[in-house]
Amino acid sequence: SAVISQKPSRDICQRGTSLTIQCQVDSQVTMMFWYRQQPGQSLTLIATANQGSEATYESGFVIDKFPISRPNLTFSTLTVSNMSPEDSSIYLCSYYRGEVGEAFFGQGTRLTVV
Amino acid sequence: GDSVTQMEGPVTLSEEAFLTINCTYTATGYPSLFWYVQYPGEGLQLLLKATKADDKGSNKGFEATYRKETTSFHLEKGSVQVSDSAVYFCALSSGSARQLTFGSGTQLTVLP
Repeated sequence: SAVISQKPSRDICQRGTSLTIQCQVDSQVTMMFWYRQQPGQSLTLIATANQGSEATYESGFVIDKFPISRPNLTFSTLTVSNMSPEDSSIYLCSYYRGEVGEAFFGQGTRLTVV
Repeated sequence: GDSVTQMEGPVTLSEEAFLTINCTYTATGYPSLFWYVQYPGEGLQLLLKATKADDKGSNKGFEATYRKETTSFHLEKGSVQVSDSAVYFCALSSGSARQLTFGSGTQLTVLP
C-alpha cells in the first residue's frame, strides 16, 4: 500500500511565528494536495501543489499566508506564516493514485497557536 | 463547481441497529466517490470507494453503491457496533487533478 508521511504530527506555536509542515510520499506523484480541518469541521482544500510550478490556491487562501514548496515528485512542504490562534487546525497532505482509484492522506499535523 | 451534501448529524444508534448516512453529489465528468472515517483522536482513513457507476464499495461491514441516476453514494451497515463510533465523511474526486471535495461529516455515536 502507498505510504505518505507527514511531520511534525503536532506542535504548539506562539502567535506571529511560522511553522513548516513536511510531507513525503513513497512514489512519484504529479500533484499533491494540502487540506485544513478546523476544530469540529470538515476538510477544506488549501492548495494543489504541482512539481516545477507554483501551487494553485483555493478561494480564501493566499500564498503569502500558506507558501508551498514542491521541489520534486515525492516531497512537499506547507508553511503556515505569521500564525494566529485562528490557524489552530489539523493540516493534512494528500495525493491521488489513479491506478488504484484512491486518495491517500498523511496522518495530519495538529497545530495549536497560543 | 463540485459539491457533496451529506446527512446532517449527529446520529446516535443502539448497538446492532441499521445505519444509513445519506450522501449526494454534484460534479462535472465522472467522479470517484469515497467514504472516509475519522475515529476519535485519529487521522483520516479510507473506509471504502467506488470509481464508476453501479460499483459497490464495501469494507468492515459497510457498503455504498455509486448511483449515477440519483447522484448518490449512501453509506449503510446492517448492524453497527460501539467501535463504529466516529465521524464519517463522504467525498468525491474529479477532474484532471483529482483533488477531493468533502461533505460536512456525520458524527456517529453507537451506544451499548
